[in-house]
Amino acid sequence: EDQVTQSPEALRLQEGESSSLNCSYTVSGLRGLFWYRQDPGKGPEFLFTLYSAGEEKEKERLKATLTKKESFLHITAPKPEDSATYLCAVQAITGNQFYFGTGTSLTVIP
Amino acid sequence: DAGITQSPRHKVTETGTPVTLRCHQTENHRYMYWYRQDPGHGLRLIHYSYGVKDTDKGEVSDGYSVSRSKTEDFLLTLESATSSQTSVYFCAIRGGQGADEAFFGQGTRLTVV
Repeated sequence: EDQVTQSPEALRLQEGESSSLNCSYTVSGLRGLFWYRQDPGKGPEFLFTLYSAGEEKEKERLKATLTKKESFLHITAPKPEDSATYLCAVQAITGNQFYFGTGTSLTVIP
Repeated sequence: DAGITQSPRHKVTETGTPVTLRCHQTENHRYMYWYRQDPGHGLRLIHYSYGVKDTDKGEVSDGYSVSRSKTEDFLLTLESATSSQTSVYFCAIRGGQGADEAFFGQGTRLTVV
Protein backbone atom coordinates (compact mmCIF):
# COMPACT_ATOMS: atom_id res chain seq x y z
CA GLU A 1 0.00 0.00 0.00
CA ASP A 2 1.32 3.44 -0.92
CA GLN A 3 2.06 5.47 2.18
CA VAL A 4 3.67 8.75 3.21
CA THR A 5 4.84 9.63 6.73
CA GLN A 6 6.11 13.07 7.67
CA SER A 7 8.11 14.04 10.73
CA PRO A 8 8.15 15.89 12.96
CA GLU A 9 4.48 16.86 13.21
CA ALA A 10 5.46 20.29 14.46
CA LEU A 11 8.71 22.22 14.56
CA ARG A 12 9.54 25.53 16.20
CA LEU A 13 12.71 27.30 15.10
CA GLN A 14 14.35 30.54 15.98
CA GLU A 15 14.86 32.83 13.03
CA GLY A 16 18.11 31.80 11.37
CA GLU A 17 18.14 28.31 12.90
CA SER A 18 18.44 25.81 10.04
CA SER A 19 16.71 22.43 10.16
CA SER A 20 15.22 19.63 8.05
CA LEU A 21 11.80 18.11 7.57
CA ASN A 22 11.47 14.42 6.75
CA CYS A 23 9.13 12.59 4.38
CA SER A 24 9.34 8.79 4.37
CA TYR A 25 7.46 6.97 1.67
CA THR A 26 6.44 3.53 0.54
CA VAL A 27 5.25 3.30 -3.02
CA SER A 28 5.10 0.59 -5.64
CA GLY A 29 7.35 2.37 -8.09
CA LEU A 30 7.85 6.11 -7.65
CA ARG A 31 6.76 8.36 -10.44
CA GLY A 32 7.32 11.58 -8.51
CA LEU A 33 7.58 13.10 -5.04
CA PHE A 34 6.10 16.53 -4.42
CA TRP A 35 6.53 19.18 -1.75
CA TYR A 36 3.86 21.76 -1.00
CA ARG A 37 3.51 24.68 1.37
CA GLN A 38 0.14 25.42 2.95
CA ASP A 39 -0.76 28.60 4.80
CA PRO A 40 -3.78 28.68 7.14
CA GLY A 41 -7.06 28.96 5.27
CA LYS A 42 -5.45 28.46 1.86
CA GLY A 43 -4.87 25.66 -0.60
CA PRO A 44 -1.50 23.91 -0.87
CA GLU A 45 1.07 25.78 -2.94
CA PHE A 46 3.42 23.73 -5.10
CA LEU A 47 7.13 23.92 -4.26
CA PHE A 48 9.10 21.06 -5.84
CA THR A 49 8.91 17.84 -7.80
CA LEU A 50 11.61 15.19 -7.42
CA TYR A 51 11.78 12.21 -9.74
CA SER A 52 14.76 10.06 -8.83
CA ALA A 53 17.12 9.28 -5.98
CA GLY A 54 19.95 11.78 -5.73
CA GLU A 55 17.96 14.62 -7.23
CA GLU A 56 17.94 18.01 -5.49
CA LYS A 57 15.87 21.15 -6.05
CA GLU A 58 16.35 24.58 -4.48
CA LYS A 59 14.23 27.66 -4.06
CA GLU A 60 15.36 30.54 -1.91
CA ARG A 61 15.94 29.11 1.61
CA LEU A 62 14.48 25.69 0.75
CA LYS A 63 16.24 22.67 -0.66
CA ALA A 64 14.55 19.33 -1.30
CA THR A 65 16.46 16.07 -1.65
CA LEU A 66 15.38 12.53 -2.47
CA THR A 67 16.60 9.03 -1.66
CA LYS A 68 14.96 5.71 -2.44
CA LYS A 69 13.01 5.75 0.81
CA GLU A 70 12.71 9.36 1.94
CA SER A 71 12.90 13.00 1.09
CA PHE A 72 14.16 15.92 3.12
CA LEU A 73 13.18 19.53 2.97
CA HIS A 74 16.10 21.55 4.28
CA ILE A 75 15.38 25.05 5.50
CA THR A 76 18.42 27.30 5.74
CA ALA A 77 18.34 30.41 7.94
CA PRO A 78 14.54 30.48 8.09
CA LYS A 79 12.54 33.66 8.44
CA PRO A 80 9.13 34.13 10.12
CA GLU A 81 7.48 34.21 6.69
CA ASP A 82 8.56 30.59 6.20
CA SER A 83 6.06 29.60 8.90
CA ALA A 84 3.51 27.26 7.30
CA THR A 85 2.57 23.62 7.04
CA TYR A 86 4.73 21.68 4.60
CA LEU A 87 3.15 18.72 2.84
CA CYS A 88 4.77 15.85 1.03
CA ALA A 89 3.02 13.70 -1.58
CA VAL A 90 3.95 10.81 -3.84
CA GLN A 91 2.59 9.53 -7.09
CA ALA A 92 3.10 5.93 -8.15
CA ILE A 93 4.04 4.84 -11.65
CA THR A 94 0.91 2.74 -11.84
CA GLY A 95 -1.68 5.42 -11.03
CA ASN A 96 -2.89 8.97 -11.32
CA GLN A 97 -3.44 9.52 -7.61
CA PHE A 98 -1.34 11.50 -5.16
CA TYR A 99 -0.86 10.23 -1.60
CA PHE A 100 -0.22 12.92 0.96
CA GLY A 101 1.42 12.91 4.34
CA THR A 102 -0.18 14.74 7.25
CA GLY A 103 2.35 17.54 7.09
CA THR A 104 4.86 19.33 9.30
CA SER A 105 3.72 22.55 10.92
CA LEU A 106 6.69 24.92 10.98
CA THR A 107 6.81 28.00 13.19
CA VAL A 108 9.74 30.38 12.90
CA ILE A 109 10.07 32.72 15.85
CA PRO A 110 11.59 36.19 15.30
CA ASP B 1 -2.24 31.46 -9.12
CA ALA B 2 -3.32 28.55 -11.28
CA GLY B 3 -6.71 29.22 -12.83
CA ILE B 4 -8.83 27.27 -10.38
CA THR B 5 -11.96 28.61 -8.76
CA GLN B 6 -13.93 26.77 -6.13
CA SER B 7 -17.46 27.74 -5.18
CA PRO B 8 -18.86 28.32 -2.71
CA ARG B 9 -15.96 29.14 -0.41
CA HIS B 10 -18.02 28.54 2.70
CA LYS B 11 -21.25 26.66 3.24
CA VAL B 12 -23.34 25.58 6.19
CA THR B 13 -25.97 22.96 5.49
CA GLU B 14 -28.27 20.68 7.40
CA THR B 15 -27.92 16.94 7.79
CA GLY B 16 -29.71 15.06 5.05
CA THR B 17 -29.67 17.82 2.44
CA PRO B 18 -27.87 17.49 -0.90
CA VAL B 19 -24.87 19.72 -1.50
CA THR B 20 -22.90 20.42 -4.67
CA LEU B 21 -19.46 21.96 -4.75
CA ARG B 22 -18.04 23.33 -7.96
CA CYS B 23 -14.50 23.45 -9.29
CA HIS B 24 -13.82 25.54 -12.39
CA GLN B 25 -10.48 25.68 -14.21
CA THR B 26 -9.24 27.88 -17.02
CA GLU B 27 -6.07 25.84 -17.71
CA ASN B 28 -7.58 23.14 -19.93
CA HIS B 29 -5.88 20.52 -17.76
CA ARG B 30 -6.93 16.92 -18.26
CA TYR B 31 -6.92 15.73 -14.65
CA MET B 32 -9.08 17.14 -11.88
CA TYR B 33 -9.25 15.95 -8.29
CA TRP B 34 -11.39 16.40 -5.20
CA TYR B 35 -9.74 16.06 -1.80
CA ARG B 36 -10.91 16.56 1.73
CA GLN B 37 -8.64 17.76 4.49
CA ASP B 38 -9.23 16.93 8.13
CA PRO B 39 -6.99 17.33 11.18
CA GLY B 40 -4.84 14.27 11.69
CA HIS B 41 -5.69 12.80 8.29
CA GLY B 42 -4.12 15.16 5.83
CA LEU B 43 -5.43 15.35 2.29
CA ARG B 44 -7.46 12.35 1.22
CA LEU B 45 -8.68 11.73 -2.31
CA ILE B 46 -12.42 11.51 -2.82
CA HIS B 47 -12.75 11.21 -6.61
CA TYR B 48 -10.79 12.25 -9.62
CA SER B 49 -11.38 12.73 -13.33
CA TYR B 50 -9.09 11.96 -16.23
CA GLY B 51 -11.29 13.46 -18.91
CA VAL B 52 -14.82 14.55 -19.72
CA LYS B 53 -17.20 11.96 -18.29
CA ASP B 54 -14.24 9.85 -17.12
CA THR B 55 -14.02 9.58 -13.35
CA ASP B 56 -12.69 7.19 -10.74
CA LYS B 57 -12.98 6.70 -7.00
CA GLY B 58 -10.44 7.64 -4.40
CA GLU B 59 -9.91 6.28 -0.90
CA VAL B 60 -12.86 8.09 0.74
CA SER B 61 -15.55 8.09 -1.96
CA ASP B 62 -18.50 6.73 0.03
CA GLY B 63 -21.32 9.29 0.20
CA TYR B 64 -19.91 11.37 -2.65
CA SER B 65 -20.51 11.48 -6.39
CA VAL B 66 -18.88 13.54 -9.12
CA SER B 67 -19.61 14.69 -12.62
CA ARG B 68 -17.56 16.26 -15.37
CA SER B 69 -19.54 17.25 -18.43
CA LYS B 70 -17.03 19.87 -19.58
CA THR B 71 -13.25 20.01 -19.38
CA GLU B 72 -13.36 23.09 -17.19
CA ASP B 73 -15.89 21.99 -14.56
CA PHE B 74 -15.77 19.21 -11.97
CA LEU B 75 -18.68 18.93 -9.56
CA LEU B 76 -18.69 17.15 -6.22
CA THR B 77 -22.09 16.17 -4.82
CA LEU B 78 -22.94 15.01 -1.33
CA GLU B 79 -26.20 13.21 -1.92
CA SER B 80 -27.34 13.43 1.70
CA ALA B 81 -24.92 15.36 3.86
CA THR B 82 -23.82 13.94 7.21
CA SER B 83 -21.87 15.53 10.06
CA SER B 84 -18.87 13.33 9.20
CA GLN B 85 -18.64 15.21 5.90
CA THR B 86 -17.88 18.46 7.69
CA SER B 87 -14.46 19.26 6.26
CA VAL B 88 -12.43 21.50 4.01
CA TYR B 89 -12.68 20.41 0.39
CA PHE B 90 -9.97 21.12 -2.15
CA CYS B 91 -10.02 20.80 -5.89
CA ALA B 92 -6.79 20.23 -7.78
CA ILE B 93 -5.81 20.08 -11.44
CA ARG B 94 -2.95 18.40 -13.26
CA GLY B 95 -1.77 18.86 -16.79
CA GLY B 96 -1.10 15.54 -18.37
CA GLN B 97 0.80 12.29 -18.46
CA GLY B 98 3.83 11.85 -16.29
CA ALA B 99 4.75 13.21 -12.90
CA ASP B 100 3.31 16.68 -13.35
CA GLU B 101 2.55 18.58 -10.23
CA ALA B 102 -1.01 19.29 -9.12
CA PHE B 103 -2.26 22.80 -8.44
CA PHE B 104 -4.87 23.44 -5.82
CA GLY B 105 -7.81 25.74 -5.40
CA GLN B 106 -8.44 27.83 -2.29
CA GLY B 107 -10.81 25.34 -0.74
CA THR B 108 -14.44 25.15 0.37
CA ARG B 109 -15.20 24.96 4.06
CA LEU B 110 -18.33 22.86 4.51
CA THR B 111 -20.13 22.54 7.82
CA VAL B 112 -22.96 20.03 8.20
CA VAL B 113 -25.16 20.74 11.23
